[in-house]
Amino acid sequence: KQEVTQIPAALSVPEGENLVLNCSFTDSAIYNLQWFRQDPGKGLTSLLLIQSSQREQTSGRLNASLDKSSGRSTLYIAASQPGDSATYLCAVFSGGSNYKLTFGKGTLLTVNP
Amino acid sequence: EPEVTQTPSHQVTQMGQEVILRCVPISNHLYFYWYRQILGQKVEFLVSFYNNEISEKSEIFDDQFSVERPDGSNFTLKIRSTKLEDSAMYFCASRHQGAAQPQHFGDGTRLSIL
Repeated sequence: KQEVTQIPAALSVPEGENLVLNCSFTDSAIYNLQWFRQDPGKGLTSLLLIQSSQREQTSGRLNASLDKSSGRSTLYIAASQPGDSATYLCAVFSGGSNYKLTFGKGTLLTVNP
Repeated sequence: EPEVTQTPSHQVTQMGQEVILRCVPISNHLYFYWYRQILGQKVEFLVSFYNNEISEKSEIFDDQFSVERPDGSNFTLKIRSTKLEDSAMYFCASRHQGAAQPQHFGDGTRLSIL
């Protein structure tokens, strides 16, 4: 059974700092990995999708890497801003013939002005 | 950009009542999902749906739950007799064909059981 773990559970940084969020998964047989952002009481906004054959994806100040064999992914946020404050969720798409997303519990990021 | 829409945004229901949560997936998507998130916990998979039938369901998705695609656009989740522990945020998602395609999520329905 796929398990996804995210560390740290919470992170507080001053504005402008670069930061890294970590995600690990137990079963390396994944098709892709998605990073999402969730604001309090809101839905899930997809940030980046990395296919199993890729090593990284970039979108603006965000860079996600994937090491499928070791079951790890990182989300790098450059020059953090107060508007980046949210919960960041990692999810892997796996499951053999019936694919589904398995989520981590998320990292609650607070960027202080 | 097309998006997944869910209604209502918030549903309050008495325990034991039936509730139907509605979703309109992105129009050319073929795979549909329901997930739920109990307050403070992980987003959990409930069920996947393809070609007018359930592809997979989790252990959470017991006989009280059902899904339906009654027409070409709507995808519904019904809970027959709600329990207090069904209180959660319910998310609908859809994706295009191909395992490489991302899932697109709606904004969710917050279900509160009294």
